[in-house]
Amino acid sequence: AQKVTQAQTEISVVEKEDVTLDCVYETRDTTYYLFWYKQPPSGELVFLIRRNSFDEQNEISGRYSWNFQKSTSSFNFTITASQVVDSAVYFCALSASGSARQLTFGSGTQLTVLP
Amino acid sequence: KAGVTQTPRYLIKTRGQQVTLSCSPISGHRSVSWYQQTPGQGLQFLFEYFSETQRNKGNFPGRFSGRQFSNSRSEMNVSTLELGDSALYLCASSLYSNQPQHFGDGTRLSIL
Repeated sequence: AQKVTQAQTEISVVEKEDVTLDCVYETRDTTYYLFWYKQPPSGELVFLIRRNSFDEQNEISGRYSWNFQKSTSSFNFTITASQVVDSAVYFCALSASGSARQLTFGSGTQLTVLP
Repeated sequence: KAGVTQTPRYLIKTRGQQVTLSCSPISGHRSVSWYQQTPGQGLQFLFEYFSETQRNKGNFPGRFSGRQFSNSRSEMNVSTLELGDSALYLCASSLYSNQPQHFGDGTRLSIL
């Protein structure tokens, strides 16, 4: 069985602050993929990043960065210098190699960035 | 390139009725997956189709069914609607196995 835990239900920060969203996963598969999606109020899930289980390199994309640590089964997401437009629900998700298109989602973290 | 298109955006039904939701994937994408999103259960996988064949199915009752056409468009059907079926239904498409799924805006279904 697979499981994704996002312990932070809601986070509020003031604009320009840095914020880290936590994600912890469980899987017995040795090959798997981790994802982050953003869901603005409109409802569409916007793909942010995919990382496979063999690539533990951290990644930076503009103000976004991701820290993948297999030793702690974590895949955390940091937004640097947050902006009001970053306000959304963020989901971490996992797919195993046997069912690559079946995503198991965490419960999501509602991020509110205040002006 | 057009994204994933779901129709209708909003739907209101009553208990006992049935409903069909439609999803047009990104051009060239052959895999279509469906998810249900509710405040209580979160995002849950319903099923996935690839080349007109159901490849995976989530833990949902048989009232939930789907199909995929030769042009990769997919439909999802829910029969004998229950109040608990009220949810946002999201469709996603991907090009190949393990490629990121791209989601549509969803269909918000309300059961009265």
